[in-house]
Amino acid sequence: AQKVTQAQTEISVVEKEDVTLDCVYETRDTTYYLFWYKQPPSGELVFLIRRNSFDEQNEISGRYSWNFQKSTSSFNFTITASQVVDSAVYFCALSLYNQGGKLIFGQGTELSVKP
Amino acid sequence: EAGVAQSPRYKIIEKRQSVAFWCNPISGHATLYWYQQILGQGPKLLIQFQNNGVVDDSQLPKDRFSAERLKGVDSTLKIQPAKLEDSAVYLCASSLGARGRDEQYFGPGTRLTVT
Repeated sequence: AQKVTQAQTEISVVEKEDVTLDCVYETRDTTYYLFWYKQPPSGELVFLIRRNSFDEQNEISGRYSWNFQKSTSSFNFTITASQVVDSAVYFCALSLYNQGGKLIFGQGTELSVKP
Repeated sequence: EAGVAQSPRYKIIEKRQSVAFWCNPISGHATLYWYQQILGQGPKLLIQFQNNGVVDDSQLPKDRFSAERLKGVDSTLKIQPAKLEDSAVYLCASSLGARGRDEQYFGPGTRLTVT
């Protein structure tokens, strides 16, 4: 069975601090995709990044970076120099190559960035 | 480009009543998903359509939930009769295809409260 675990339920930081959101996944499939979505208070899930299981290169996009490690089945997300606008619930999700695209989500991590 | 549209945004009903949600996906997107997001949890797939055919409804409580996607565009999700545990946000998403790598675009959701 497939599973995504986000052990951190809530994180609170002060603006300009760096913060890392953890994601651990379980699957026996060799071809899969990992995603991060942001859910601001408005409720709409916003796509942040997708990685496939064959590409372990880390990725940086502005203040956001992602660390994918197959050896530990982790796909962690770091926000550098956090801002109040980063306050949201962040979800890590998994989809399998041969399961029609459905996303299996973790429980989410609620990030609160205080000024 | 218009995003995924959902209505209504909020709905309050009493248990045993019926309710319907509507979703209009992004133009040209063949795949449509309905997810249920209970407070404090990640979204869980209820049903997936490819054009107007059902791909996956394994987690849809078929004794009370039904969904259709006429003409392969708009979709309606119905609950009849509603139970207290159906209180959740119902998210509609669409994607170009049904491959694991296809990015899903989410609507703002319908928040259902069953009293």
